[in-house]
Amino acid sequence: GQNIDQPTEMTATEGAIVQINCTYQTSGFNGLFWYQQHAGEAPTFLSYNVLDGLEEKGRFSSFLSRSKGYSYLLLKELQMKDSASYLCAVRDGDYKLSFGAGTTVTVRA
Amino acid sequence: GAVVSQHPSWVICKSGTSVKIECRSLDFQATTMFWYRQFPKQSLMLMATSNEGSKATYEQGVEKDKFLINHASLTLSTLTVTSAHPEDSSFYICSATTGRTTEAFFGQGTRLTVV
Repeated sequence: GQNIDQPTEMTATEGAIVQINCTYQTSGFNGLFWYQQHAGEAPTFLSYNVLDGLEEKGRFSSFLSRSKGYSYLLLKELQMKDSASYLCAVRDGDYKLSFGAGTTVTVRA
Repeated sequence: GAVVSQHPSWVICKSGTSVKIECRSLDFQATTMFWYRQFPKQSLMLMATSNEGSKATYEQGVEKDKFLINHASLTLSTLTVTSAHPEDSSFYICSATTGRTTEAFFGQGTRLTVV
């Protein structure tokens, strides 16, 4: 089975930077995804890493180290609308996508 | 980006009845579709993987006779919850992919309440 760990909750102030860590142990590896999910809605795609390094996309960046089984999602210039759950998901050797429990980020004014 | 349409968005049914949820890829051919279930404040749990034209592969602990999955075409997969019980009340989400190397796109989700 898959083991994907991320913190349960994080709180930050508007304009700040927050880093959400994710560690994983899977049977094979075919990419790591980050999704944003607002309560009662489906997840929306944020980023995808399959090679080591940093992927930057506007205010969001994602980093991957395959040897360490580690990724992080960096949210910069936080806005109130960024309050949501952030899901780390790993695609395994069978190309199944499994999710971590999610990190609830609360942005305060 | 690719669009996946899931219907209905929410449904209330009586115990013992069956409910069908549809997942359609609107602008691409989905060779693989995934069905997830999410309980409040929990993560998405993969229920099954379906490939067009073949039987679905169910995750351990998921009853295949209770959660019937049909992927008859490259644009449509259905999940039927048979003989629903209150404990089946959950948020069901489908995702679709064009192939093994591409990202999976999610439907809007279906909120099922069994009374």
